[in-house]
Amino acid sequence: SAVISQKPSRDICQRGTSLTIQCQVDSQVTMMFWYRQQPGQSLTLIATANQGSEATYESGFVIDKFPISRPNLTFSTLTVSNMSPEDSSIYLCSVEGADTLDYGYTFGSGTRLTVV
Amino acid sequence: AQSVTQLDSQVPVFEEAPVELRCNYSSSVSVYLFWYVQYPNQGLQLLLKYLSGSTLVKGINGFEAEFNKSQTSFHLRKPSVHISDTAEYFCAVSRNSGNTPLVFGKGTRLSVIA
Repeated sequence: SAVISQKPSRDICQRGTSLTIQCQVDSQVTMMFWYRQQPGQSLTLIATANQGSEATYESGFVIDKFPISRPNLTFSTLTVSNMSPEDSSIYLCSVEGADTLDYGYTFGSGTRLTVV
Repeated sequence: AQSVTQLDSQVPVFEEAPVELRCNYSSSVSVYLFWYVQYPNQGLQLLLKYLSGSTLVKGINGFEAEFNKSQTSFHLRKPSVHISDTAEYFCAVSRNSGNTPLVFGKGTRLSVIA
């Protein structure tokens, strides 16, 4: 299965600023998925990023707030813009993978964001 | 679109007792089903998954789940729980066509009492 390197692992940011989260995958993947996990909550899909096209956002998430880049098949970034304390969450990227033996999803280790 | 309902937000159970965490899904197409565990302040860990074949799936740490297509359920069971099983458990679903994200349920908090 794929290995994902996600950075930063955590950050404390001032309100009104932006943070860019990076995910690097060790193999080429068609889709990358970005999730948010608010404190004590489940994972909510923010958007799906396909290389060469604009990301597809889920209801309640907009590009101006969460711009995503997908410049190639192994890399993606998610920016959390104009942050407020309500954006304090764990953000994760994920890829879907299938090899000759198995199928599943791999998750990055997450970025724990605190907005003060 | 797919959706997942985890019927219990919290399940307290005594140590060495059996437990069942319930999960129902909704989908108009065939699906893959997953259970993940998240220990406090840790990442997601895959417990087990159903892709096809036998409807009884065995996973790590003594957990198993049964896929029931007619009832659209994928309940997680363990015959005897340990204190160390205290964690948040998430059921998730994806379409079986590929290039689709996982959709998660809201989670069930399992608390094992000594």
